[in-house]
Amino acid sequence: DTGVSQDPRHKITKRGQNVTFRCDPISEHNRLYWYRQTLGQGPEFLTYFQNEAQLEKSRLLSDRFSAERPKGSFSTLEIQRTEQGDSAMYLCASSHSSGNTIYFGEGSWLTVV
Amino acid sequence: DQQVKQNSPSLSVQEGRISILNCDYTNSMFDYFLWYKKYPAEGPTFLISISSIKDKNEDGRFTVFLNKSAKHLSLHIVPSQPGDSAVYFCAAMAAGSARQLTFGSGTQLTVLP
Repeated sequence: DTGVSQDPRHKITKRGQNVTFRCDPISEHNRLYWYRQTLGQGPEFLTYFQNEAQLEKSRLLSDRFSAERPKGSFSTLEIQRTEQGDSAMYLCASSHSSGNTIYFGEGSWLTVV
Repeated sequence: DQQVKQNSPSLSVQEGRISILNCDYTNSMFDYFLWYKKYPAEGPTFLISISSIKDKNEDGRFTVFLNKSAKHLSLHIVPSQPGDSAVYFCAAMAAGSARQLTFGSGTQLTVLP
C-alpha cells in the first residue's frame, strides 16, 4: 500500500491527557499537511511541512498543538491537555512540490471525554 | 469568511441520470481546484482537478467545469451510480501559497437505484 498512512485510526482519551498521531506520507512526497475536520464541515488546514521544515501554521493551531517531521519523512501531531473541543478527525495529506494534487490518509478520529 | 462555498448540503439523483454539484469561491487568487469524494469515517479521495487556465477537464464519468468570471465550478457525474453516493468536497488552492487547500462544506450526494 503506497497511500498516506495514519495511526491510530481511533483514539478515545480523557480531557487533560496528551495524544499523539502519526502520519506516513506517500514515498517521495516532500510536502506534508495536517488538517482537521469536524462533523458537517470541510477539512480545515492546520499546518504544512516541506521536507523537515514547518513552513506554515494556521491560527487554528493553538499552543497545545505541536507537529514535527524530524527527518522529512513521517510526521507526528501532538495535542497536549486535550479539551472536548479537540474532538475531530485529524487528516494527514501529502503531495510532491512538482504537482498540485494532494492525497489524504484515512484520518485519525479523536474523541475527548 | 467562507472562501469556498457549496450551497447545497444534499442532492438526490436517480441512477443513470446526471449529477451536478456546484461550488462558488470568492478568492481571485485561487488558481487550482480539486474535487474530493468522502465516505463516512474515511479520508477524502481525490477525484478530479482543474487549473484556472482551463475551463473543462474530463476523466471518465467525471467532468469539472470552471467559470472564472463567475467564480463558479461544477462537477458533473454521468451516468450516476449508487456507488457514487458520498459527500463531495470542492477545494481550492491559491497561487504562491503553501498550496494548502481551502475546502467547501460538502454536498451529500445520494444516487437512488
